[in-house]
Amino acid sequence: TQLLEQSPQFLSIQEGENLTVYCNSSSVFSSLQWYRQEPGEGPVLLVTVVTGGEVKKLKRLTFQFGDARKDSSLHITAAQPGDTGLYLCAGGFGNQFYFGTGTSLTVIP
Amino acid sequence: SQTIHQWPATLVQPVGSPLSLECTVEGTSNPNLYWYRQAAGRGLQLLFYSVGIGQISSEVPQNLSASRPQDRQFILSSKKLLLSDSGFYLCALEGGVGQETQYFGPGTRLLVL
Repeated sequence: TQLLEQSPQFLSIQEGENLTVYCNSSSVFSSLQWYRQEPGEGPVLLVTVVTGGEVKKLKRLTFQFGDARKDSSLHITAAQPGDTGLYLCAGGFGNQFYFGTGTSLTVIP
Repeated sequence: SQTIHQWPATLVQPVGSPLSLECTVEGTSNPNLYWYRQAAGRGLQLLFYSVGIGQISSEVPQNLSASRPQDRQFILSSKKLLLSDSGFYLCALEGGVGQETQYFGPGTRLLVL
């Protein structure tokens, strides 16, 4: 059973465009994390959100946690080729973590 | 700072052979440790997690097992590998009490032929 669904699964855009990735679940999480992963490497944490409705900004990346703590979004402004990678959301249940299905982003120069 | 080591980095094994993947961590004590498996370009599947020495919780019934012989060592094993065991295996530790974040090792790519 997949607790977290991400959309879209694949995304290919031109440099400079904006994009949003969604992470949805029917379950409530105590926290939600976003990671970015390069091929052949482990995921790297981008952000953790813990409060319903919380918005965090990391340079051109904006993360939002849904009011009900069941969903989250990642918005990238003016995407750059360096943003290319696999984006993963993960929901926390105490000391257990469940990962989303992943969104593979390609930014074309 | 916390560091996670995994070895080997890459492994090619025949079907039916045994497996042992090792994960060691530095810069922390009594961490919660995790093993995940990832199919190409997809999300991570939680396999095992451990909150302390000798304490293992299994999330998915399969022919894999895990052990934690020392506080900073987490081992993933199999007696007989299957083709479906191929994948990218990642070890992770929890960032700390109340942090609810994870930090990942570099991973081991396993190919079963």
